[in-house]
Amino acid sequence: GAVVSQHPSRVICKSGTSVKIECRSLDFQATTMFWYRQFPKQSLMLMATSNEGSKATYEQGVEKDKFLINHASLTLSTLTVTSAHPEDSSFYICSPHYRAGTETQYFGPGTRLLVL
Amino acid sequence: EDKVVQSPLSLVVHEGDTVTLNCSYEVTNFRSLLWYKQEKKAPTFLFMLTSSGIEKKSGRLSSILDKKELFSILNITATQTGDSAVYLCAVGLGTGGFKTIFGAGTRLFVKA
Repeated sequence: GAVVSQHPSRVICKSGTSVKIECRSLDFQATTMFWYRQFPKQSLMLMATSNEGSKATYEQGVEKDKFLINHASLTLSTLTVTSAHPEDSSFYICSPHYRAGTETQYFGPGTRLLVL
Repeated sequence: EDKVVQSPLSLVVHEGDTVTLNCSYEVTNFRSLLWYKQEKKAPTFLFMLTSSGIEKKSGRLSSILDKKELFSILNITATQTGDSAVYLCAVGLGTGGFKTIFGAGTRLFVKA
């Protein structure tokens, strides 16, 4: 399967700080990146979709100014949670789409964010 | 609104039992149905189904799709404690750039 890394795997921060999460596709070029969020005992909720070199498309209810997504290259996408609050504590997972026509979806290992 | 519904939400069985997990969906532009297993971290891929009536099999796990009735099942035979996990069903849409919608998951616990 595809190799995807996320960094950091776990982060604890104070309320009001910003946190950047990196997602790298290590063995393929990700033309599209999906960012998901998963709260405890809930399923994955799509936050946004980004295509390399263009602005991300956000799902309803997700604030684009709070969750900044950068997909500047085919192997790296970043999600920045700005001015994080305790309610932003969640498991954030990236999922690169790496080839037109490929159905299988792979996920990064996830980043667990805890905002105190 | 597109949705994916899984049942049961949770299940406790004994080792050796056979379990069937259900997934029904209502979407406007179906492309594929996927099953994932999630333990402590991100989901791992199990199956992708696009055609009705064709069973996919991997060891003790199997899955089938019914596109007329809009549902899929995931079977696990001779369950083991290592099968304990959350099983997620997802539907890939034909629009929105390969967007995928997830069900809430079935939490399976296999007792020794």
